Amino acid sequence: KNQVEQSPQSLIILEGKNCTLQCNYTVSPFSNLRWYKQDTGRGPVSLTIMTFSENTKSNGRYTATLDADTKQSSLHITASQLSDSASYICVVSVRQAGTALIFGKGTTLSVSS
Amino acid sequence: DADVTQTPRNRITKTGKRIMLECSQTKGHDRMYWYRQDPGLGLRLIYYSFDVKDINKGEISDGYSVSRQAQAKFSLSLESAIPNQTALYFCAASALNTGELFFGEGSRLTVL
Repeated sequence: KNQVEQSPQSLIILEGKNCTLQCNYTVSPFSNLRWYKQDTGRGPVSLTIMTFSENTKSNGRYTATLDADTKQSSLHITASQLSDSASYICVVSVRQAGTALIFGKGTTLSVSS
Repeated sequence: DADVTQTPRNRITKTGKRIMLECSQTKGHDRMYWYRQDPGLGLRLIYYSFDVKDINKGEISDGYSVSRQAQAKFSLSLESAIPNQTALYFCAASALNTGELFFGEGSRLTVL
């Protein structure tokens, strides 16, 4: 069964600290993996996309990694800011016809001052 | 201006009432989706459409119907709302080549 598991479910860190969010998937055949950021009361917005051949991709203070062999991805946030407080959702695309997007349940990050 | 616009943003209704949530997009994308978000359950797909003549059920379509009136418009209807349909509903559009989803701001529906 195609599944995406995210951990931790929630996380609280101090402003300025780094953190890493995890995404494990059992999706096959794999097409790509996206990380979305969802601010409270807003729609999710794409942060990064990882394809099979990519190991690391950065978007400002956000760095995503992908290990296609172990089917794991991580999102590392450097020097966190209060505005990083949000839910982070991992979405894996299945390489087949149809919509085939498998969503994780998200990690809720709270950055405190 | 937002690329994907949802109306209404908030709605409170009573059990048994018919409700329509509307969605329009300015990106020119062929693919549109309706998702439901509940605390602890994440985003779940209700219906999706790949073009005006294509409508497909998602994982939780029971109790819902959709209409793709034009490439830019995709509406979601609850024919007879029930309390467990209380949730945050998101419309999204995506391009075929990138697959990136562009979400609306959400419609919060409360069924009493």
